[in-house]
Amino acid sequence: DAMVIQNPRYQVTQFGKPVTLSCSQTLNHNVMYWYQQKSSQAPKLLFHYYDKDFNNEADTPDNFQSRRPNTSFCFLDIRSPGLGDAAMYLCATSRAGLTKQFFGPGTRLTVL
Amino acid sequence: DQQVKQNSPSLSVQEGRISILNCDYTNSMFDYFLWYKKYPAEGPTFLISISSIKDKNEDGRFTVFLNKSAKHLSLHIVPSQPGDSAVYFCAASDGGSQGNLIFGKGTKLSVKP
Repeated sequence: DAMVIQNPRYQVTQFGKPVTLSCSQTLNHNVMYWYQQKSSQAPKLLFHYYDKDFNNEADTPDNFQSRRPNTSFCFLDIRSPGLGDAAMYLCATSRAGLTKQFFGPGTRLTVL
Repeated sequence: DQQVKQNSPSLSVQEGRISILNCDYTNSMFDYFLWYKKYPAEGPTFLISISSIKDKNEDGRFTVFLNKSAKHLSLHIVPSQPGDSAVYFCAASDGGSQGNLIFGKGTKLSVKP
């Protein structure tokens, strides 16, 4: 089945220790998104890739970076995680021109 | 400031009855609206959507109503089933080429047997 896969599902890191979250997709969609969702909050878009074009949301902290080495994979790098970065991180994909997004199961990040 | 608001954090309904989940928005440029359903430990899954040129869209037990003048939409589930228990997110798009979505905070629906 075509799907969006996120690894790991749970990630524990220490304050200030860099961490990378992974997303892959078999849908061959050209748009990939990263969202941050804190408890009882709305998913908040951090950035997205339209093919290789990176689009950063204006209020996304510099601490968050992303890489998309090919169509299938996209990574979220948190350079120096703070306690406030503990959240669920959701990856989503869509086909260009279509609004419907397909989500992965998310990675729950804990910062100690 | 929230552009998409789901003012009810939770809703409890008896099995077989109607569930009505509400969503309000402030941006008149939004022209496409979606509902997503999320079970614990899973990502949101698409449920149903509606374009601003329509006022109703139906898919089986799920119907979405859009009132553009009130900037309000609602999701009706009839009849409600225990498996419908989940968090429901309302999302809106302004139709830009990037397809970005603005989400509400979600409403947790509990359907009791």
